[in-house]
Amino acid sequence: EAAVTQSPRNKVTVTGGNVTLSCRQTNSHNYMYWYRQDTGHGLRLIHYSYGAGNLQIGDVPDGYKATRTTQEDFFLLLELASPSQTSLYFCASSETGRDSDYTFGSGTRLLVI
Amino acid sequence: SQLAEENSWALSVHEGESVTVNCSYKTSITALQWYRQKSGKGPAQLILIRSNEREKRNGRLRATLDTSSQSSSLSITATRCEDTAVYFCATANSGTYQRFGTGTKLQVVP
Repeated sequence: EAAVTQSPRNKVTVTGGNVTLSCRQTNSHNYMYWYRQDTGHGLRLIHYSYGAGNLQIGDVPDGYKATRTTQEDFFLLLELASPSQTSLYFCASSETGRDSDYTFGSGTRLLVI
Repeated sequence: SQLAEENSWALSVHEGESVTVNCSYKTSITALQWYRQKSGKGPAQLILIRSNEREKRNGRLRATLDTSSQSSSLSITATRCEDTAVYFCATANSGTYQRFGTGTKLQVVP
């Protein structure tokens, strides 16, 4: 079964800290996405990629970097974490982009204090 | 910007009843996807309906799409307690990713 695995499940960091969220998919999908979920805003896209080495910006990219090292692995980097980045982060993958089904991971809850 | 919006923040029904969640959107789309998110989990796709389709079914679920009014609905018949979740619509347009609404929280009570 297609799977997207995120780690860690929970993370606490201090303001100004450095955080890396990891995502691995075993679906052989081309596209991978990082979304954040906040009450009142739904899910908002931060960055996405359509292949190893490729990176595209989403709707809320400020303060985030991302890197797609392989077909399977997509990382989200917060180099100077701020309290406004406290959120629930989801990674997803899809085969062909906008018109195909997205498979989501279980999420990483990040608290920046 | 939020290009899709569910029209109700929360709904509550009794088990066995039918319920409809509505979604409106603001731009032309190529497809609209309905998702369900249960507590502590990521969203799971339910039905993808393309812009040239008017209705699509998946078991007890039925999605409709009206491109003239830029709206969609997801109906669930014979609801069960396990249908309790947040339901999202997500639109696909000229970009290469889906944009999500804020979600409708559905509670199915015994």
